[in-house]
Amino acid sequence: DAKTTQPTSMDCAEGRAANLPCNHSTISENEYVYWYRQIHSQGPQYIIHGLKNNETNEMASLIITEDRKSSTLILPHATLRDTAVYYCIVSPALIKAAGNKLTFGGGTRVLVKP
Amino acid sequence: KAGVTQTPRYLIKTRGQQVTLSCSPISGHRSVSWYQQTPGQGLQFLFEYFSETQRNKGNFPGRFSGRQFSNSRSEMNVSTLELGDSALYLCASRRNTGYNEQFFGPGTRLTVL
Repeated sequence: DAKTTQPTSMDCAEGRAANLPCNHSTISENEYVYWYRQIHSQGPQYIIHGLKNNETNEMASLIITEDRKSSTLILPHATLRDTAVYYCIVSPALIKAAGNKLTFGGGTRVLVKP
Repeated sequence: KAGVTQTPRYLIKTRGQQVTLSCSPISGHRSVSWYQQTPGQGLQFLFEYFSETQRNKGNFPGRFSGRQFSNSRSEMNVSTLELGDSALYLCASRRNTGYNEQFFGPGTRLTVL
């Protein structure tokens, strides 16, 4: 699986948008970008995933550059409950071939401040 | 719909003992994965089961094993416990679709003394 690079930590003001960058310069054409987050003392939580196009759901938006070498997760209106470690993961699309494995890096520790 | 459940939530063992952790996936999910999380190594993949068969395995010693039952419930076992096995063990399940959207349980916190 392609490796990802994320900032170690970042702060965000409550109510403002949080933009979390991720670099995945070695991503293959059949690999998706996934974002998970882990709130303290809980299991990781799936947020969103994408291949080429930008994606949006009720939790966040995912912007993937045209060359697919980087992406940005956007939390439109950060709340204190969004304080967590956010993981950017690249995973093959063919789950049957690769199995279920998620390769977690260090993630970005996001602190939302009042 | 109930989420992924793991039992027990906390466990204290001593070196040399063995331990069995249990995971019940979301109803209808047939794929179950296990992960170990430690402060030093972060989240690491242990193994994955689908339809009672191990489909993928991480880089862990043979002391770590698992199995899946016909109702998709899964167990993992660690034999001859070492201090370094102290960790949060997380179970995740997902539907067998083309995407890697996994649903994690709260984990079992294992402490080895």
